[in-house]
Amino acid sequence: DTAVSQTPKYLVTQMGNDKSIKCEQNLGHDTMYWYKQDSKKFLKIMFSYNNKELIINETVPNRFSPKSPDKAHLNLHINSLELGDSAVYFCASSPSGYLSSYNEQFFGPGTRLTVL
Amino acid sequence: EDQVTQSPEALRLQEGESSSLNCSYTVSGLRGLFWYRQDPGKGPEFLFTLYSAGEEKEKERLKATLTKKESFLHITAPKPEDSATYLCALRSGNTPLVFGKGTRLSVIA
Repeated sequence: DTAVSQTPKYLVTQMGNDKSIKCEQNLGHDTMYWYKQDSKKFLKIMFSYNNKELIINETVPNRFSPKSPDKAHLNLHINSLELGDSAVYFCASSPSGYLSSYNEQFFGPGTRLTVL
Repeated sequence: EDQVTQSPEALRLQEGESSSLNCSYTVSGLRGLFWYRQDPGKGPEFLFTLYSAGEEKEKERLKATLTKKESFLHITAPKPEDSATYLCALRSGNTPLVFGKGTRLSVIA
């Protein structure tokens, strides 16, 4: 069974389009995250949700909007895609809140977004 | 601002040739230092968490250690399947995880 799953695995789209990436975890975790890994492989947090509530919103353009319909799902919607949005996006989850030191995170397989 | 620096950027080892990866950090109030392994095309996989200087953790051929300024990931007698990028990350205060840029390890048979 996949613990943290993301769809799609690959996403190729034109500039200006709107797209969504879905994430689901079956670990029963309370906290979920979105990370962006750029071409230099640098992994940086974008958002964190705890029990469907937005906790962390790093410096991310307003074009990015996370949505958590329930604590097992955290989707990422991106409006008006730009070339610089091309990256690999990872979803992750952890058993306790981001304030907890016991914060091992479990990552999904990633979604490679290419904006042409 | 919390900083995490990993070295070397890339490391090539012969099978059985032990070595260490370094993660240097500056932080006010460390709440946890994490090691992850990332294979190409996959998400990071959790390996260890260290909380205080002097702490050590082991898993198979890997051993992680922590001092007040750095952490080492020692790899003993590595095998080709240990080839991956190893990421270090830390938590301090109420901030989210801050990741280093990783060390890309290649183990040649």
